[in-house]
Amino acid sequence: NAGVTQTPKFQVLKTGQSMTLQCAQDMNHNSMYWYRQDPGMGLRLIYYSASEGTTDKGEVPNGYNVSRLNKREFSLRLESAAPSQTSVYFCASSEVGRVNTIYFGEGSWLTVV
Amino acid sequence: DAKTTQPNSMESNEEEPVHLPCNHSTISGTDYIHWYRQLPSQGPEYVIHGLTSNVNNRMASLAIAEDRKSSTLILHRATLRDAAVYYCILRSGNTPLVFGKGTRLSVIA
Repeated sequence: NAGVTQTPKFQVLKTGQSMTLQCAQDMNHNSMYWYRQDPGMGLRLIYYSASEGTTDKGEVPNGYNVSRLNKREFSLRLESAAPSQTSVYFCASSEVGRVNTIYFGEGSWLTVV
Repeated sequence: DAKTTQPNSMESNEEEPVHLPCNHSTISGTDYIHWYRQLPSQGPEYVIHGLTSNVNNRMASLAIAEDRKSSTLILHRATLRDAAVYYCILRSGNTPLVFGKGTRLSVIA
Protein backbone atom coordinates (compact mmCIF):
# COMPACT_ATOMS: atom_id res chain seq x y z
CA ASN A 1 0.00 0.00 0.00
CA ALA A 2 2.35 2.76 -1.18
CA GLY A 3 -0.32 5.45 -1.74
CA VAL A 4 1.47 8.79 -2.18
CA THR A 5 5.25 8.62 -2.09
CA GLN A 6 7.47 11.68 -1.71
CA THR A 7 11.22 11.94 -2.11
CA PRO A 8 13.43 13.08 -0.53
CA LYS A 9 12.12 12.99 3.02
CA PHE A 10 14.76 15.39 4.33
CA GLN A 11 16.91 17.91 2.49
CA VAL A 12 19.18 20.79 3.43
CA LEU A 13 19.87 23.37 0.74
CA LYS A 14 22.03 26.45 0.56
CA THR A 15 20.42 29.72 -0.47
CA GLY A 16 20.32 29.93 -4.24
CA GLN A 17 20.54 26.20 -4.89
CA SER A 18 17.86 24.43 -6.87
CA MET A 19 16.14 21.16 -6.23
CA THR A 20 13.14 19.11 -7.21
CA LEU A 21 10.74 17.34 -4.86
CA GLN A 22 9.32 14.21 -6.41
CA CYS A 23 5.85 12.82 -5.82
CA ALA A 24 4.24 9.68 -7.18
CA GLN A 25 0.87 8.06 -6.50
CA ASP A 26 -0.23 4.54 -7.33
CA MET A 27 -4.00 5.00 -6.95
CA ASN A 28 -4.66 6.10 -10.55
CA HIS A 29 -5.87 9.47 -9.32
CA ASN A 30 -6.45 12.33 -11.71
CA SER A 31 -5.78 15.23 -9.34
CA MET A 32 -2.55 15.97 -7.52
CA TYR A 33 -1.51 18.77 -5.15
CA TRP A 34 1.50 20.35 -3.49
CA TYR A 35 1.12 22.04 -0.10
CA ARG A 36 3.58 23.59 2.31
CA GLN A 37 3.23 23.77 6.07
CA ASP A 38 5.13 26.22 8.25
CA PRO A 39 5.43 25.70 12.03
CA GLY A 40 2.13 26.12 13.85
CA MET A 41 0.23 26.77 10.65
CA GLY A 42 -2.20 24.89 8.51
CA LEU A 43 -1.26 23.66 5.06
CA ARG A 44 -1.17 26.17 2.21
CA LEU A 45 -1.65 25.18 -1.41
CA ILE A 46 1.27 25.88 -3.73
CA TYR A 47 0.12 24.33 -7.01
CA TYR A 48 -2.30 21.68 -8.09
CA SER A 49 -3.02 19.62 -11.17
CA ALA A 50 -6.66 18.77 -11.71
CA SER A 51 -5.76 16.28 -14.42
CA GLU A 52 -2.80 15.15 -16.47
CA GLY A 53 -1.57 18.00 -18.64
CA THR A 54 -2.99 20.82 -16.49
CA THR A 55 -1.53 22.78 -13.60
CA ASP A 56 -2.90 25.73 -11.64
CA LYS A 57 -1.50 28.12 -9.07
CA GLY A 58 -2.61 27.90 -5.50
CA GLU A 59 -2.30 30.36 -2.64
CA VAL A 60 1.53 30.57 -2.48
CA PRO A 61 3.04 29.73 -5.92
CA ASN A 62 5.89 32.29 -6.00
CA GLY A 63 9.33 30.71 -6.12
CA TYR A 64 8.04 27.33 -7.29
CA ASN A 65 7.42 25.50 -10.54
CA VAL A 66 5.63 22.22 -11.09
CA SER A 67 5.53 19.51 -13.71
CA ARG A 68 2.81 16.92 -14.14
CA LEU A 69 5.07 14.37 -15.77
CA ASN A 70 2.34 11.78 -16.28
CA LYS A 71 -0.74 10.65 -14.42
CA ARG A 72 1.32 9.17 -11.58
CA GLU A 73 3.94 11.86 -11.00
CA PHE A 74 3.82 15.51 -9.97
CA SER A 75 7.10 17.27 -9.18
CA LEU A 76 7.78 20.56 -7.40
CA ARG A 77 10.89 22.55 -8.29
CA LEU A 78 12.62 25.30 -6.36
CA GLU A 79 14.78 27.15 -8.89
CA SER A 80 16.65 29.36 -6.41
CA ALA A 81 15.95 28.35 -2.84
CA ALA A 82 15.44 31.01 -0.17
CA PRO A 83 15.34 30.67 3.63
CA SER A 84 11.63 31.60 3.49
CA GLN A 85 11.05 28.30 1.67
CA THR A 86 12.15 26.32 4.72
CA SER A 87 9.05 24.26 5.38
CA VAL A 88 7.46 20.84 5.29
CA TYR A 89 6.09 20.00 1.87
CA PHE A 90 3.17 17.62 1.34
CA CYS A 91 2.07 16.06 -1.89
CA ALA A 92 -1.49 14.75 -2.19
CA SER A 93 -3.76 13.12 -4.72
CA SER A 94 -7.45 12.51 -5.23
CA GLU A 95 -9.91 11.19 -7.72
CA VAL A 96 -12.25 13.51 -9.57
CA GLY A 97 -15.79 13.59 -8.24
CA ARG A 98 -18.30 15.56 -6.23
CA VAL A 99 -16.96 14.23 -2.97
CA ASN A 100 -13.63 12.50 -2.88
CA THR A 101 -10.99 11.79 -0.31
CA ILE A 102 -7.60 13.44 -0.64
CA TYR A 103 -4.64 11.26 0.27
CA PHE A 104 -1.44 12.83 1.53
CA GLY A 105 2.16 11.75 1.47
CA GLU A 106 4.31 11.68 4.58
CA GLY A 107 5.99 15.00 3.87
CA SER A 108 9.38 16.32 2.83
CA TRP A 109 11.29 18.40 5.38
CA LEU A 110 13.26 21.12 3.59
CA THR A 111 15.71 23.49 5.28
CA VAL A 112 17.30 26.34 3.36
CA VAL A 113 20.34 27.88 5.06
CA ASP B 1 -13.70 29.93 -0.07
CA ALA B 2 -16.07 29.77 2.85
CA LYS B 3 -14.25 29.92 6.17
CA THR B 4 -14.50 27.86 9.30
CA THR B 5 -13.82 28.76 12.91
CA GLN B 6 -12.41 26.22 15.35
CA PRO B 7 -10.99 26.49 18.88
CA ASN B 8 -7.20 26.54 18.88
CA SER B 9 -6.89 23.67 21.32
CA MET B 10 -8.89 21.18 23.36
CA GLU B 11 -8.05 18.60 25.94
CA SER B 12 -9.68 15.28 26.70
CA ASN B 13 -9.18 12.40 29.07
CA GLU B 14 -8.44 9.04 27.57
CA GLU B 15 -11.48 6.83 26.88
CA GLU B 16 -13.90 9.75 27.21
CA PRO B 17 -15.92 11.22 24.31
CA VAL B 18 -14.62 14.33 22.60
CA HIS B 19 -16.75 16.91 20.82
CA LEU B 20 -14.80 19.14 18.44
CA PRO B 21 -16.86 22.14 17.30
CA CYS B 22 -16.68 24.01 14.01
CA ASN B 23 -18.56 27.13 12.97
CA HIS B 24 -19.17 27.84 9.29
CA SER B 25 -21.84 30.52 9.17
CA THR B 26 -21.17 31.42 5.51
CA ILE B 27 -21.51 27.88 4.18
CA SER B 28 -23.11 27.62 0.75
CA GLY B 29 -25.59 25.03 -0.42
CA THR B 30 -22.98 23.08 -2.39
CA ASP B 31 -20.34 22.96 0.36
CA TYR B 32 -19.59 19.64 1.95
CA ILE B 33 -18.15 19.64 5.47
CA HIS B 34 -14.92 17.67 5.61
CA TRP B 35 -12.80 16.74 8.60
CA TYR B 36 -9.17 15.78 8.32
CA ARG B 37 -6.65 15.21 11.08
CA GLN B 38 -2.90 15.42 11.20
CA LEU B 39 -0.98 13.23 13.58
CA PRO B 40 2.45 14.47 14.69
CA SER B 41 5.02 14.46 11.89
CA GLN B 42 2.56 12.99 9.38
CA GLY B 43 0.47 14.20 6.50
CA PRO B 44 -3.23 14.91 7.04
CA GLU B 45 -5.65 12.00 6.81
CA TYR B 46 -9.35 11.92 6.04
CA VAL B 47 -11.72 11.47 8.96
CA ILE B 48 -15.27 12.04 7.77
CA HIS B 49 -17.47 14.28 5.64
CA GLY B 50 -21.12 15.22 5.37
CA LEU B 51 -23.59 17.52 3.62
CA THR B 52 -26.78 17.77 5.66
CA SER B 53 -27.38 14.59 7.62
CA ASN B 54 -25.35 13.26 10.52
CA VAL B 55 -22.74 10.73 9.49
CA ASN B 56 -21.01 7.86 11.24
CA ASN B 57 -17.97 5.83 10.28
CA ARG B 58 -15.48 3.66 12.09
CA MET B 59 -13.36 6.65 13.10
CA ALA B 60 -15.91 9.23 14.23
CA SER B 61 -19.34 10.76 13.95
CA LEU B 62 -20.26 14.07 12.39
CA ALA B 63 -23.21 16.02 13.74
CA ILE B 64 -24.42 18.81 11.44
CA ALA B 65 -26.71 21.56 12.68
CA GLU B 66 -30.05 21.87 10.96
CA ASP B 67 -29.11 25.27 9.49
CA ARG B 68 -25.68 23.85 8.52
CA LYS B 69 -23.92 26.80 10.11
CA SER B 70 -22.04 24.61 12.54
CA SER B 71 -20.95 21.03 12.96
CA THR B 72 -19.33 18.83 15.58
CA LEU B 73 -16.87 16.02 15.15
CA ILE B 74 -17.40 13.37 17.80
CA LEU B 75 -14.76 10.89 18.85
CA HIS B 76 -16.64 8.39 20.95
CA ARG B 77 -13.71 7.17 23.05
CA ALA B 78 -10.54 9.20 22.77
CA THR B 79 -7.28 7.29 22.80
CA LEU B 80 -3.73 8.57 22.98
CA ARG B 81 -3.46 7.88 19.24
CA ASP B 82 -6.20 10.44 18.61
CA ALA B 83 -3.94 13.30 19.72
CA ALA B 84 -3.65 15.38 16.57
CA VAL B 85 -4.64 18.62 14.88
CA TYR B 86 -8.20 18.36 13.54
CA TYR B 87 -9.19 20.45 10.55
CA CYS B 88 -12.76 21.33 9.63
CA ILE B 89 -12.89 22.27 5.93
CA LEU B 90 -15.66 23.32 3.58
CA ARG B 91 -15.29 22.00 0.09
CA SER B 92 -17.42 22.42 -3.01
CA GLY B 93 -16.95 19.94 -5.83
CA ASN B 94 -13.43 19.03 -6.81
CA THR B 95 -11.68 22.11 -5.45
CA PRO B 96 -8.46 21.72 -3.42
CA LEU B 97 -8.73 21.63 0.35
CA VAL B 98 -8.16 24.98 2.07
CA PHE B 99 -6.75 24.45 5.56
CA GLY B 100 -7.13 26.73 8.55
CA LYS B 101 -5.14 26.28 11.75
CA GLY B 102 -7.41 23.56 13.09
CA THR B 103 -7.90 22.39 16.68
CA ARG B 104 -5.02 20.75 18.49
CA LEU B 105 -6.46 17.90 20.56
CA SER B 106 -4.47 16.67 23.53
CA VAL B 107 -5.45 13.37 25.15
CA ILE B 108 -4.50 12.79 28.76
CA ALA B 109 -3.88 9.28 30.01
